[in-house]
Amino acid sequence: EVHLVQSGAEVKKPGESLKISCESSGYIFTSYWIGWVRQMPGKGLEWMGIIYPGDSDTRYSPSFQGQVTISVDKSISTAYLQWSSLKASDTARYYCARRGYSASYYYFDHWGQGTLVTVSS
Amino acid sequence: EIVLTQSPDTLSLSPGERATLSCRASQSVTSNYLAWYQQKPGQSPRLLIYAASSRATGIPDRFSGSGSGTDFTLTISRLEPEDFAVYYCQQYGSSSWTFGQGTKVEIK
Repeated sequence: EVHLVQSGAEVKKPGESLKISCESSGYIFTSYWIGWVRQMPGKGLEWMGIIYPGDSDTRYSPSFQGQVTISVDKSISTAYLQWSSLKASDTARYYCARRGYSASYYYFDHWGQGTLVTVSS
Repeated sequence: EIVLTQSPDTLSLSPGERATLSCRASQSVTSNYLAWYQQKPGQSPRLLIYAASSRATGIPDRFSGSGSGTDFTLTISRLEPEDFAVYYCQQYGSSSWTFGQGTKVEIK
C-alpha cells in the first residue's frame, strides 16, 4: 500500500530556515514524480513544484521559483521542501503528493497528511 | 499560465440531489490533463477523476466527469452525506500545474 508520511508541524520565526520531509513507501520511489502543494489558512490548493526522484529533475511554479527548494534523498525514499528565510506569509499547510504513473496523464493519486508551518514573531 | 475558474463558489443542496460543478479554463486544456479532487475539513485532498472522465480507484459511480477544451464538469448524481466537501479541478499545461479556487458543496 502506498503511503506518504510527512514530518510534523513546525513553528518558526521570520528569517529562519526550514526543511520539511515526505517519506514514501509501498512503491518504487524513483519511478514517480512527487509534487508539493500549498494550502494557506482557509484557502485553496496551489501547486509549488515537482521532482522526479530518479534523476532529481525539478520543475517549479513561477510563483514559487527562487522561494523554495525541492530535493530528494533516494536512499531513504524521502522528498524535501525547504526555505532559507521564512516569511509570515509562508504560514500554511504543505502537502506532498505522488503523480500518477502514466506519462499521458497529470494528476496526484496519493497525498501526504500535510505539514502545518506557522511563521510568527 | 492557464487559470481555472470554478463555479459556483458554493453550492447548497440536500442529500439525494444532483450536484453539477463547473471548471472553466482560460485556454484549452488537454483532456488527459484535467483532474478533480475532493477535500473534507481537516483532510488531505483525494483524487476523484483523472483524464477529465476516468474515475480513480475506489470512487463511487455517482461521481462522473465530462467536458473538453475549456469547459469541464464534475457531476455527483445523488448526494450522500459524506459528499459535502470542497471540490477542486486541476490541470497541467505549459509545464505548469494549476488548481481551480474550489467549489464548496454544503448541506442546504
